[in-house]
Amino acid sequence: GENVEQHPSTLSVQEGDSAVIKCTYSDSASNYFPWYKQELGKRPQLIIDIRSNVGEKKDQRIAVTLNKTAKHFSLHITETQPEDSAVYFCAAVGNQGGKLIFGQGTELSVKP
Amino acid sequence: ETGVTQTPRHLVMGMTNKKSLKCEQHLGHNAMYWYKQSAKKPLELMFVYNFKEQTENNSVPSRFSPECPNSSHLFLHLHTLQPEDSALYLCASSQSRGGRGTEAFFGQGTRLTVV
Repeated sequence: GENVEQHPSTLSVQEGDSAVIKCTYSDSASNYFPWYKQELGKRPQLIIDIRSNVGEKKDQRIAVTLNKTAKHFSLHITETQPEDSAVYFCAAVGNQGGKLIFGQGTELSVKP
Repeated sequence: ETGVTQTPRHLVMGMTNKKSLKCEQHLGHNAMYWYKQSAKKPLELMFVYNFKEQTENNSVPSRFSPECPNSSHLFLHLHTLQPEDSALYLCASSQSRGGRGTEAFFGQGTRLTVV
């Protein structure tokens, strides 16, 4: 089955700096790669996603890149702000649909 | 509010008790999931239902028993749990489209404590 590895587990940056979180997946048939943000005490919420037919997607300060050959994808946050502090999860969905497998999460801390 | 509602929000139960967690979605989705979130294994997939049929059971102990009576409701029946089962249990739903993944929406979770 699918296995998703996420690094780093914790990341601390200064406000205004960039943050990068990386994930690898094992199932080459996976076709959908969402990223979720979970603030303390709240549910995970989708912030950006990418499909296997696209190499890069951007939404304001966040972007995601996908390398299908290497089976890895990354989240990039630019001009970080204190409200970006949260736990971020990457995930992968296989071609059988539905089965969303998450990485271990990255706790991002943005220091003012 | 994501359209996925879980009850109760908090639950404390003894190891000999039987309780049930409930999840309800009003998004018209055809897939529902149970995840366990703990410090050791964040967002661990437990069960998947597609069109009310269970399609995934990730080696979950039999003391956890899922039930999906229709595509809008999902239950997790609990009995003779262990203290290590204490965690946040999250329900999610999504629309499965011919093998293509789509966004999953999460409920608020049930914080379970087994004493």
